[in-house]
Amino acid sequence: GAGVSQTPSNKVTEKGKYVELRCDPISGHTALYWYRQSLGQGPEFLIYFQGTGAADDSGLPNDRFFAVRPEGSVSTLKIQRTERGDSAVYLCASSQQGNQPQHFGDGTRLSIL
Amino acid sequence: GIQVEQSPPDLILQEGANSTLRCNFSDSVNNLQWFHQNPWGQLINLFYIPSGTKQNGRLSATTVATERYSLLYISSSQTTDSGVYFCAVESWPQLVFGKGTKLTVNP
Repeated sequence: GAGVSQTPSNKVTEKGKYVELRCDPISGHTALYWYRQSLGQGPEFLIYFQGTGAADDSGLPNDRFFAVRPEGSVSTLKIQRTERGDSAVYLCASSQQGNQPQHFGDGTRLSIL
Repeated sequence: GIQVEQSPPDLILQEGANSTLRCNFSDSVNNLQWFHQNPWGQLINLFYIPSGTKQNGRLSATTVATERYSLLYISSSQTTDSGVYFCAVESWPQLVFGKGTKLTVNP
């Protein structure tokens, strides 16, 4: 596609449930990033993939959060045992390679009830 | 880690006015981007400007890397310019964002 695509655009679920958020990067972009944006704040880094491997996962808040990119294109962010504090907009970005401009998707708005 | 400060936090303008938004950062950087987050939450690339000056229509940006700041100029503002403007600098591999400037342009 022309831009970074994220699905779903909105997700509402109950505390304790498992969720998966999907990101389809710009075609040909090898670098992929996940960020989280809380209300009134700028996005905060979660994890970076170069190809299939998670090259830097230092931003993941705890072990309930996990992300994969098995074929070096689409990525899935997985959150186990969701908590109300996980409510936020989850943004995905991609770049041609590292150290190039990052282009963001429209985000997934996650609400934990 | 690197710190990014944006000013002013809020700005209200009448349509047609000009404005300057500022971004200060605490360390040397290889990448600096300006974004506009519209009221629907979309984060739109404005400039990739680690140094120098660029212009795109009514918008222009200047980064003085040696003095660790960047400026975003908006001329002849329109109501569609409303939203939050973010500066983000690279602290490899992540972008570190400032808290943004919330711009409201009134008709």
